Amino acid sequence: EVQLVESGGVVVQPGGSLRLSCAASGFTFDYYTMYWVRQAPGKGLEWVSLISWDMSNRYYADSVKGRFVISRDNSKNALYLQMNSLTTEDTALYFCAKGRTRGYGYGPMAYWGQGTLVTVSS
Amino acid sequence: EIVMTQSPATLSVSPGDRATLSCRASQSISNNLAWYQHKPGQAPSLLIFAASTRATGIPARFSGSGSGTEFTLTISSLQSEDFAIYYCQHYHNWPPMYSFGQGTKLEIK
Repeated sequence: EVQLVESGGVVVQPGGSLRLSCAASGFTFDYYTMYWVRQAPGKGLEWVSLISWDMSNRYYADSVKGRFVISRDNSKNALYLQMNSLTTEDTALYFCAKGRTRGYGYGPMAYWGQGTLVTVSS
Repeated sequence: EIVMTQSPATLSVSPGDRATLSCRASQSISNNLAWYQHKPGQAPSLLIFAASTRATGIPARFSGSGSGTEFTLTISSLQSEDFAIYYCQHYHNWPPMYSFGQGTKLEIK
């Protein structure tokens, strides 16, 4: 059974930094593209970032480009999101998600975690 | 940027009835469309990809159709567990781009 468990969400001040983690199990982690998606309070879903299975490709939404860095450790089946220069606009539930197909295909997200809440507030 | 627009924002349907949810793209996206179900407090679930292909384990009462700019998710006979928020999503392979609709809340009538 695929499991994705996010952690690291806390209350942080504007301008601060935070690292989110996602622990993956139930599948061969290093075969798949992994994603971060977020949901601001009362809003819909917003794609944040993706990283390919071999870490050769990383992409970001314009709203976080230059501030967030996605990474993964295939030896630990773990996905990370380093979030810097946080603003109140970054307040959201952050989901980790797994790609549907092996390799370099960038398509829909087949499995999701339940999310970790990041609150940016003074 | 491709904008995805879902309608209606809220849909009230009785259990056992059919529900039809719409999603429109601001320009043609071929069949690069997925549908997700999200219940608050739970992980979202992939229902449909490539506009009309059911994901693994998704019941046959869920069906997707459309191509280009107009897409539909149909739930043929609503079960109690189907009441949730549904999102459509455009995905583009290269360069990777993703756009979600704002969601349709499916509620019990």
